[in-house]
Amino acid sequence: GENVEQHPSTLSVQEGDSAVIKCTYSDSASNYFPWYKQELGKGPQLIIDIRSNVGEKKDQRIAVTLNKTAKHFSLHITETQPEDSAVYFCAASRLSGGYNKLIFGAGTRLAVHP
Amino acid sequence: KAGVTQTPRYLIKTRGQQVTLSCSPISGHRSVSWYQQTPGQGLQFLFEYFSETQRNKGNFPGRFSGRQFSNSRSEMNVSTLELGDSALYLCASSLEGGTGFYEQYFGPGTRLTVT
Repeated sequence: GENVEQHPSTLSVQEGDSAVIKCTYSDSASNYFPWYKQELGKGPQLIIDIRSNVGEKKDQRIAVTLNKTAKHFSLHITETQPEDSAVYFCAASRLSGGYNKLIFGAGTRLAVHP
Repeated sequence: KAGVTQTPRYLIKTRGQQVTLSCSPISGHRSVSWYQQTPGQGLQFLFEYFSETQRNKGNFPGRFSGRQFSNSRSEMNVSTLELGDSALYLCASSLEGGTGFYEQYFGPGTRLTVT
């Protein structure tokens, strides 16, 4: 069935370091991969997404890479700041009309220490 | 533009009762999805509504149901509540034209506690 595995479950870094979170998906028909950040008491916030026709996408300090052959995608945060501390979720879905279901990874709790 | 709003934000119910949660999508968004978030199971898809029709459904029992109104607002109902239904219920909306899927934006959620 559809499944997304996410690693690590917790990640602790020093301010200014980089953080990498990795996900693997099982549904070969998946072609849309968003990343969400969830802060305490809030709903998930979309921070970046990638579609299968590109291998990498960058937005300031955040980048996502996709390897469709290996069914892997990763989130890279550079120059981390304390406000990056949150739970990050990867997700996978099919980009097609009528299919609007996100399969989420279990989440990564990122702690950035000053 | 206002974001996705959910009411109420917090709810305490007793086992066996039923509950209705409400979601107002971002203006212009026609698709509304519901997710359940628990520490043990993570974020799980419940169902999705588009143009007042349920279009996708997750693996939840029939006690979980929903509907969507002509203004795209959606409600979700859980009947005969069980302790395990305690969770954060999240609503997400997306702008969808005829050609495909667009980004989903989440509301703050409704925290349901069943005692």
